[in-house]
Amino acid sequence: GESVGLHLPTLSVQEGDNSIINCAYSNSASDYFIWYKQESGKGPQFIIDIRSNMDKRQGQRVTVLLNKTVKHLSLQIAATQPGDSAVYFCAELQGNEKLTFGTGTRLTIIP
Amino acid sequence: SAVISQKPSRDICQRGTSLTIQCQVDSQVTMMFWYRQQPGQSLTLIATANQGSEATYESGFVIDKFPISRPNLTFSTLTVSNMSPEDSSIYLCSGLGQGRKAFFGQGTRLTVV
Repeated sequence: GESVGLHLPTLSVQEGDNSIINCAYSNSASDYFIWYKQESGKGPQFIIDIRSNMDKRQGQRVTVLLNKTVKHLSLQIAATQPGDSAVYFCAELQGNEKLTFGTGTRLTIIP
Repeated sequence: SAVISQKPSRDICQRGTSLTIQCQVDSQVTMMFWYRQQPGQSLTLIATANQGSEATYESGFVIDKFPISRPNLTFSTLTVSNMSPEDSSIYLCSGLGQGRKAFFGQGTRLTVV
């Protein structure tokens, strides 16, 4: 069936370096994607979103890239900080407004 | 962004009992949802909470086990009925606001013993 998934379950990055978290999706009809950050004991926190009519969107230290040709989504975090350590989920919002979440990637920032 | 409050934040319950989780949003949202997140895993949608009518359940979830209410636009409850240890999980409420952005409560961590 349709699904949203991640390539890497864990990622360790040196503090100050850039990190890239990847996500593959299979529903070509999806038109809206969101990245969430979830810290231990908390609910998912909205980071950044992108609509299917765009291929790049930038926020504060974060950039989301969308490649519809290969159905690939990525989250780039610049100059990582210890507070960036968390689990990151991509999510796909379908026409029925239901979010489908990817597997999640645990990002660890090494001091 | 919408602020979503859930209570309780955590509970330890005896098997066979039921727990009702409350979710309050601070502004009107178009849709509200309930998710389950098992330890170390991603979020799975349980159901869409419909205002004034029966919730719409996803495959694998039934009303008898997870009755849901949404009496108005900003409040919803999820009950986990006749609990077993397999129901130990984090339950999350979500609201869909402007621009289709979905926000989440902090979750309710349930342990069934």
